[in-house]
Amino acid sequence: ETGVTQTPRHLVMGMTNKKSLKCEQHLGHNAMYWYKQSAKKPLELMFVYNFKEQTENNSVPSRFSPECPNSSHLFLHLHTLQPEDSALYLCASSQDREGQETQYFGPGTRLLVL
Amino acid sequence: GQNIDQPTEMTATEGAIVQINCTYQTSGFNGLFWYQQHAGEAPTFLSYNVLDGLEEKGRFSSFLSRSKGYSYLLLKELQMKDSASYLCAVRDSNYQLIWGAGTKLIIKP
Repeated sequence: ETGVTQTPRHLVMGMTNKKSLKCEQHLGHNAMYWYKQSAKKPLELMFVYNFKEQTENNSVPSRFSPECPNSSHLFLHLHTLQPEDSALYLCASSQDREGQETQYFGPGTRLLVL
Repeated sequence: GQNIDQPTEMTATEGAIVQINCTYQTSGFNGLFWYQQHAGEAPTFLSYNVLDGLEEKGRFSSFLSRSKGYSYLLLKELQMKDSASYLCAVRDSNYQLIWGAGTKLIIKP
């Protein structure tokens, strides 16, 4: 248990569906991250929030829409996804964006797009 | 471009020692991290190196040579529970983490 929770753990959706992934951290951190993890590929950083402000968007398609209402919660809204978006989506948090920045990860949401 | 290289898969025997290598080419360097990830679980932090040398933490040690762009993770007295993927990540000059694809370690009895 790392103090970062994610729901749902598994999600199957069609290309026309709209769904949301939720992440919550109980560590008092100020930075939160969304990553995409595909088999045998490096973790891909998608979005970074620092003190609720989005500081990075790594050329992610607009069908992925993040939301950070406060420092403890992070959402990833999904719509009109493609089959190649099937992957493990990991949320992480760290004390802040600078410093040692050890990141603590949630267990991930395994997404399958049909 | 920025790149992290580590072997895709390694096999070792229970009770033995294994060394997982990581080489990197990044825009600047602000530290190197090793994470462990069991199948279906979250990556968990193992070690952090920012200066050259060896950092020891129980059965696990991590080494860094900044001049060579090289690190290794050394696992001693291997246990079956050490079967996992090991991820190497380097923080560049913009404080962005650049990740390797991970090394899947298989431990055999």
